[in-house]
Amino acid sequence: AAGVIQSPRHLIKEKRETATLKCYPIPRHDTVYWYQQGPGQDPQFLISFYEKMQSDKGSIPDRFSAQQFSDYHSELNMSSLELGDSALYFCASKMGGIYNEQFFGPGTRLTVL
Amino acid sequence: DAKTTQPNSMESNEEEPVHLPCNHSTISGTDYIHWYRQLPSQGPEYVIHGLTSNVNNRMASLAIAEDRKSSTLILHRATLRDAAVYYCIEGYSGAGSYQLTFGKGTKLSVIP
Repeated sequence: AAGVIQSPRHLIKEKRETATLKCYPIPRHDTVYWYQQGPGQDPQFLISFYEKMQSDKGSIPDRFSAQQFSDYHSELNMSSLELGDSALYFCASKMGGIYNEQFFGPGTRLTVL
Repeated sequence: DAKTTQPNSMESNEEEPVHLPCNHSTISGTDYIHWYRQLPSQGPEYVIHGLTSNVNNRMASLAIAEDRKSSTLILHRATLRDAAVYYCIEGYSGAGSYQLTFGKGTKLSVIP
């Protein structure tokens, strides 16, 4: 079965650079979530989209922005990167139904040097 | 902030049942309890969810207390592959979407 695809899987950037993470949800899934998981930490909700519209914001820094495109893929744009942005970034997708399970991707590991 | 409380870690012998407890004393009447697990170096994986009554699926069982202030995830026969961090999550209906707020989770170790 198709799963959530994230690219790239690994990314190394310097401080103050920008990064773009991509997420391709499972076909027919209409909701995308982004999470950040720092080293030794638990996943923290960043932002979500439903039918290409932002539906909720969590602890997402102002330096970050995200959008969902017409083909339902989503991109997380991160600017002025800081050392503390080094983390695993997970994308999850869900189909309809408010309580339906979220399917998580394998994550993108971002390292900021 | 996460509203659930779980033990930091638990151990189980392989092939034995495992009962993972969770307290969610402030849960509202309409919020579901969700369980996800995260294997090392992987994204979280759905396990089970429920509202009031006990739930079963191919992975586990979820026993929810009558007052809904606590629940227990039951793995009927632990395998080495079940070693993971298990998150008990109180679903939250935010302004626009249904959110999962991950807490600290329970790290389950399975002993061969």
